[in-house]
Amino acid sequence: KNEVEQSPQNLTAQEGEFITINCSYSVGISALHWLQQHPGGGIVSLFMLSSGKKKHGRLIATINIQEKHSSLHITASHPRDSAVYICAGPMEYGNKLVFGAGTILRVKS
Amino acid sequence: GAGVSQSPRYKVAKRGQDVALRCDPISGHVSLFWYQQALGQGPEFLTYFQNEAQLDKSGLPSDRFFAERPEGSVSTLKIQRTQQEDSAVYLCASSHATNTGELFFGEGSRLTVL
Repeated sequence: KNEVEQSPQNLTAQEGEFITINCSYSVGISALHWLQQHPGGGIVSLFMLSSGKKKHGRLIATINIQEKHSSLHITASHPRDSAVYICAGPMEYGNKLVFGAGTILRVKS
Repeated sequence: GAGVSQSPRYKVAKRGQDVALRCDPISGHVSLFWYQQALGQGPEFLTYFQNEAQLDKSGLPSDRFFAERPEGSVSTLKIQRTQQEDSAVYLCASSHATNTGELFFGEGSRLTVL
């Protein structure tokens, strides 16, 4: 069983829709990363958070350490948001990450 | 450089061939990680360096995989006698911190073993 679970695995949305991607983890972590990966491209770090909420533009990430759950929200989604979104938690020492399998997001215009 | 640079971006190897993948981390970054990402999967940890010291190589799948970072900056991941199951994207990431901190990823090196 993967220690980091994401849902949904695939998500198709219409431009402008509010999107939520969920991440649950079964082990204790001190912080969680949300990452974005475009097809054929590298990974971009969106957020690293250990409590509460962070906002960057149209992206919002929340985390509840006690419930071992995090969510990534995209407001007013746009086709350029289409990508794979991955959550990852550090195991043992800080950045030895365990990754979720990713959520494939497609935003249609 | 401005970001983490990996080369080659694409490598096609015949089964049994040796390959070397290079990672140039952001200047001054202490921590360097290698991850392997199979098609349709999330990345999986391979190995970790703190400066030139390889502190963790528990994720290397076999003794055909070898990584080094001799001067604490550029790192090379070498795969000997490649097999088809080695086909994947190999991602390098670096961080300024030795513990938690923002990770910066390279574009990855896509290896295809025929």
